[in-house]
Amino acid sequence: GENVEQHPSTLSVQEGDSAVIKCTYSDSASNYFPWYKQELGKRPQLIIDIRSNVGEKKDQRIAVTLNKTAKHFSLHITETQPEDSAVYFCAASLPRSGGTSYGKLTFGQGTILTVHP
Amino acid sequence: SAVISQKPSRDICQRGTSLTIQCQVDSQVTMMFWYRQQPGQSLTLIATANQGSEATYESGFVIDKFPISRPNLTFSTLTVSNMSPEDSSIYLCSVVSLSFLNEQFFGPGTRLTVL
Repeated sequence: GENVEQHPSTLSVQEGDSAVIKCTYSDSASNYFPWYKQELGKRPQLIIDIRSNVGEKKDQRIAVTLNKTAKHFSLHITETQPEDSAVYFCAASLPRSGGTSYGKLTFGQGTILTVHP
Repeated sequence: SAVISQKPSRDICQRGTSLTIQCQVDSQVTMMFWYRQQPGQSLTLIATANQGSEATYESGFVIDKFPISRPNLTFSTLTVSNMSPEDSSIYLCSVVSLSFLNEQFFGPGTRLTVL
């Protein structure tokens, strides 16, 4: 099955700096890569995603890049703010196969991001 | 996105007992899943809840321990059976919406503590 590795496990930055979180996946057939933000005591929230036919996607201060050849994807947060502090999870999904794997996500281990004012 | 609710939001249970968690969505969805998040850990998929048929379990999870039902497109239950302290976790349902292809949204979770 799919395996997703995420680094770093913790990341501490000053407000206004950029933050980068990297993930690698094992199955080259994976075609969907979402990123979730989870604040303490709350549910994971989808913040951005990318599909395998796209190399980069941006949404305001957040961007995701995908390198299919190297099987890695990254989350970039620019101009970080204290409210960006949370745990971030990357995930990968294989394409539908017989209707049972559609949407099934394999998660990375998570990155605790702390943005200091 | 779909509005997802879970009941109960939290519970404290004695070992050896069972707890059933409900997940309700406000619109029809294609897929429903159940995940477990152990304290300080990532999310692990337990099973895919299939409408009107047996759930599809991931490696390490079995039906006798985690029976799942999905009688219709908007509702599912997960039962944690014969609980032990190792079952203390947050259990989350998630859905893939008909309107948002592949995008998966999570319920608020059920925080379970087993004594």
